[in-house]
Amino acid sequence: AQTVTQSQPEMSVQEAETVTLSCTYDTSESDYYLFWYKQPPSRQMILVIRQEAYKQQNATENRFSVNFQKAAKSFSLKISDSQLGDAAMYFCAYRSAFGSARQLTFGSGTQLTVLP
Amino acid sequence: GAGVSQSPSNKVTEKGKDVELRCDPISGHTALYWYRQSLGQGLEFLIYFQGNSAPDKSGLPSDRFSAERTGGSVSTLTIQRTQQEDSAVYLCASSLVSGGIKETQYFGPGTRLLVL
Repeated sequence: AQTVTQSQPEMSVQEAETVTLSCTYDTSESDYYLFWYKQPPSRQMILVIRQEAYKQQNATENRFSVNFQKAAKSFSLKISDSQLGDAAMYFCAYRSAFGSARQLTFGSGTQLTVLP
Repeated sequence: GAGVSQSPSNKVTEKGKDVELRCDPISGHTALYWYRQSLGQGLEFLIYFQGNSAPDKSGLPSDRFSAERTGGSVSTLTIQRTQQEDSAVYLCASSLVSGGIKETQYFGPGTRLLVL
């Protein structure tokens, strides 16, 4: 079974600064998908960024980018020019590319605080 | 609709009562998922539907939990004889079933269930 680990329960960043959230995962599969979701106090899980394991190029979405290290099984999220609206719980998630398994396996989350 | 909707937003019930939680997926999404988010257990997968059938019910925690989907659209998660440990946020997500990264899951705002 796959596991996802987020070792930082809480992080804080000054507004306009850059912060990196860590995520590692354990799998024996060669092909899979990785995601970062954001959950503000409204509870709505919002997709931030996604990465296909067979693509070596790191995904980017505006101020959000990932550092995907397949051999190290690491998938960190970098938020540049942090804004107050980025404050939320961030979850890293894994999905297999094989068979009928479609569910996401989530990490325990990192609570990000943005300081004005 | 534009996004995944869930109702009710909040539900308070007494121990031993049955509850029904509803999920309306994004139009055109044939896959639907239920997850549970609780303080002690994090985010757990419950069940996955493809169309009206549920090929993966592996996450349902007990036989008190059941789910159905009719017309390939709306799904209902039913918890019978609720227990206090059922208190959690129940999240629903939907996706296309097309293989690859396009199967990204989009989440609803969740139903917060409190069992007294």
